[in-house]
Amino acid sequence: SQTIHQWPATLVQPVGSPLSLECTVEGTSNPNLYWYRQAAGRGLQLLFYSVGIGQISSEVPQNLSASRPQDRQFILSSKKLLLSDSGFYLCAWSDRATEAFFGQGTRLTVV
Amino acid sequence: AQSVTQLDSQVPVFEEAPVELRCNYSSSVSVYLFWYVQYPNQGLQLLLKYLSGSTLVKGINGFEAEFNKSQTSFHLRKPSVHISDTAEYFCGSGAGSYQLTFGKGTKLSVIP
Repeated sequence: SQTIHQWPATLVQPVGSPLSLECTVEGTSNPNLYWYRQAAGRGLQLLFYSVGIGQISSEVPQNLSASRPQDRQFILSSKKLLLSDSGFYLCAWSDRATEAFFGQGTRLTVV
Repeated sequence: AQSVTQLDSQVPVFEEAPVELRCNYSSSVSVYLFWYVQYPNQGLQLLLKYLSGSTLVKGINGFEAEFNKSQTSFHLRKPSVHISDTAEYFCGSGAGSYQLTFGKGTKLSVIP
């Protein structure tokens, strides 16, 4: 069966520090991969999606970037965090967008 | 382009009462529709999904939803809610490629 792992679960980082959140999927190949950010009252904001290795599409220009170095690995990064980057980050995978499978999320607090 | 609108941001309901969470979608192509539930500080869990066939879809935890093409709606219902149903619910749609679109969520609060 397919599983998705996302870590860390919580993270407190100072302003200006770098960020790396990792997501890996098991049990499937060539999945569509997604990074979402969830802020209070704003629902799920799609940040990045990827349909294959090295293929990244950005939905919202911002201080973050994403990479897909392997088929089932998706990384969210920042060189310098801002206070506004605080939020709950969710990784998800999908097979042809008939449904999505989500990781447990990372609560990022930038201080 | 797809869009999903959840008409209520918060819904309070008494325990054992029925509940309906409303969702409308817009799309120029055939869509897949789904509902997810999110408990605090957790990821989203699929409640149910509509791909094709019967317009009444039954999901986990006693929830069901009805696909109404003429009204472009996919409302979620439960005949009798429990305290444990307190959570945030997201309606979403997929277009069979990579596009996944979600509404802004509805917070269901079950009052004892």
